[in-house]
Formats: sequence, structure tokens, C-alpha cells
Amino acid sequence: QVRLVESGGGVVQPGGSLRLSCAASGFTFSDFGMHWVRQAPDKGLEWVAVISSDGTNTYHTDSVRGRFTISRDTSKNTLYLQMTSLTTEDTAVYFCAKQFSAYADYFDSWGQGTLVSVSS
Amino acid sequence: DIRMTQSPSTLSASVGDTVTITCRASQSLYGWLAWYQQKPGKAPEPLIYKASTLESGVPSRFSGSGSGTEFTLTISSLQPDDFATYYCQQYKTSWTFGRGTKVEVK
Repeated sequence: QVRLVESGGGVVQPGGSLRLSCAASGFTFSDFGMHWVRQAPDKGLEWVAVISSDGTNTYHTDSVRGRFTISRDTSKNTLYLQMTSLTTEDTAVYFCAKQFSAYADYFDSWGQGTLVSVSS
Repeated sequence: DIRMTQSPSTLSASVGDTVTITCRASQSLYGWLAWYQQKPGKAPEPLIYKASTLESGVPSRFSGSGSGTEFTLTISSLQPDDFATYYCQQYKTSWTFGRGTKVEVK
């Protein structure tokens, strides 16, 4: 079955960088768009970024555009989120999620999340 | 950007109750709306997509309805496992979540 496993979270100082990974298995990774969604402590869900099934198209929410970059490596079945210029506002659990199809769609599978804590 | 207004933010209910959660969009979604359930410390799980289609394996006591800008999630005969937080999500233009509804024990 579909499995998504995030890693790479941790504690980082303001202004620092971090790269999150999401290892995918159980489905043909190159057939589906993939997303990052985050959830600040005791807050709701916030969509962060999407990458198309072939990796050629990406889109980031306004609050992270220019600082975060979503990417994917089909040879490794892995999704990434490179995060730079981190602020305390970026503290959250980051989930990767699989789209139901190759096109803009809802998320039918989610990873368990990885915690990013930005603190001095 | 499409804004999603979800209500109520908290709902107190008892086992066996029927509960309804509403989501309003700032523009028509043409049915491109999903509902998720999230329990503390866990990832969200999809319940309904395309406004009213039940995700495989989801109990039939969950149902979704609506069109245009107004949508509802109904849980009939609330079970102990249903106490959780529920989110709506539009996926017509980009992706946006509602602020969530916590269903708690009355």
C-alpha cells in the first residue's frame, strides 16, 4: 500500500536552513503530483507547495515563496522541501501528501509528519 | 485566492448524535471540495472528495453535500472514534483548508 515517510526535521536557528525528505513507496511515484502541508502547534493545516508528476511545474504559497523550494527525484522515489531563511513562523509539523491523480486534486495519502522547530 | 470559512470552530456532541459542519467558499468550487479527519498527533485522513464521494473504507455514517460555495459534512450517529478535528479543503484553484472544527465530547 501507499507509504510516505518524512524525515529531516529538527531544531534550527532563525535564518537557518533545513531540507526535508519524503520517501514514497507502494505506488508509481512519477504518476502523481505531490505536496507539502504544514501545521503550526495547535493550529490548522496550511498548504505549502506542490510539484507536478513530472517535476516540471512547482508552486509555493506566498508566505514561503523565494525561501522554500519543492523538488522530487523520481530515481529515488523521494520528495524534498529545501527551506532557507527560516523564521519562528515556520515552526510546524510538515506533512508530505500524495494527490489522488496527476492533476490538481485532493490528497489521498499523507505521511506521519516531521517537526521543524525554529528557535534561538 | 479562494478563502474557506468553516463553522463552527468547536462542536460539543454525544455518542449517537447527528452533527453537521459547514464550509463556505469565497467563490464557486464546482464541487472541488474534500473533507479530512485529524486526530491528535496524527496525519489527516481523507473522508470525502468531490463534495460528496466517500473515500474507500470510510464508514457510511459520514456524508458530504453541497455545491457552488456552500458545503456540509454530516456525521450520523456519532461514534466514540469520531471525536476529532475536521477540515474542509478546496482544490479548484490551488489548495486551501478551512480552519477546522473540533468535535468534542459534550
